[in-house]
Amino acid sequence: QVQLQESGPGLVKPSETLSLTCSVSGGSIRSDYWSWIRQSAGKGLEWIGRIDSSGTTNYNPSLKSRVTMSIDTSKKQLSLDLNSMTAADTAVYYCARMASSSWPLDSWGQGTLVTVSS
Amino acid sequence: DIQMTQSPSSLSASIGDRVTITCRASQGISNSLAWYQQKPGKAPKLLLYIASRLQSGVPSRFSGSGSGADYTLTISSLQPEDFATYYCQQYYSIPYTFGQGAKLEIK
Repeated sequence: QVQLQESGPGLVKPSETLSLTCSVSGGSIRSDYWSWIRQSAGKGLEWIGRIDSSGTTNYNPSLKSRVTMSIDTSKKQLSLDLNSMTAADTAVYYCARMASSSWPLDSWGQGTLVTVSS
Repeated sequence: DIQMTQSPSSLSASIGDRVTITCRASQGISNSLAWYQQKPGKAPKLLLYIASRLQSGVPSRFSGSGSGADYTLTISSLQPEDFATYYCQQYYSIPYTFGQGAKLEIK
């Protein structure tokens, strides 16, 4: 059973870059797709983007100009960078697994709350 | 983007009731539809995928149906642990999108 764990700063200043890591255990990082999703009170659940084991990415057009995702298969880690943070980016950020390219999010991390404030 | 609209946004029901939540996509999504359950402070949990396939370990009182742009989630006999918020999600096209959620509360 794959397990995911997000980590990163709980507080980010406006205009700064958020960097989050998702550690994958109990399964292979090489055979699946990996998504980042966020949840805020104002916008509900929002899919940020996905990455596969080769590093191919697809981003939500609404965030594409500010997002970078990467994968380190040797460390079994995913990374999310989101720049130019504003208060509107305050949310719980989740990483999740997709078993194939057109598949639901079948395993989720517990989520990490990120607050944007000076 | 494909817009997902759930109804109702909230509902109250009693233990043992049959409950149905609907999800309408802004275009056909060829059954690429998942349902999730979320409890406070927890991540969403996958219940059904391909509109009607039950995820492993999910009780059989949960079922899904639909086609094209219209889908439903049915809970046949509500149990205490079912009171939560339910979301639909399309994975037919990128960007994947979610419904706004349906909060199920105890009457």
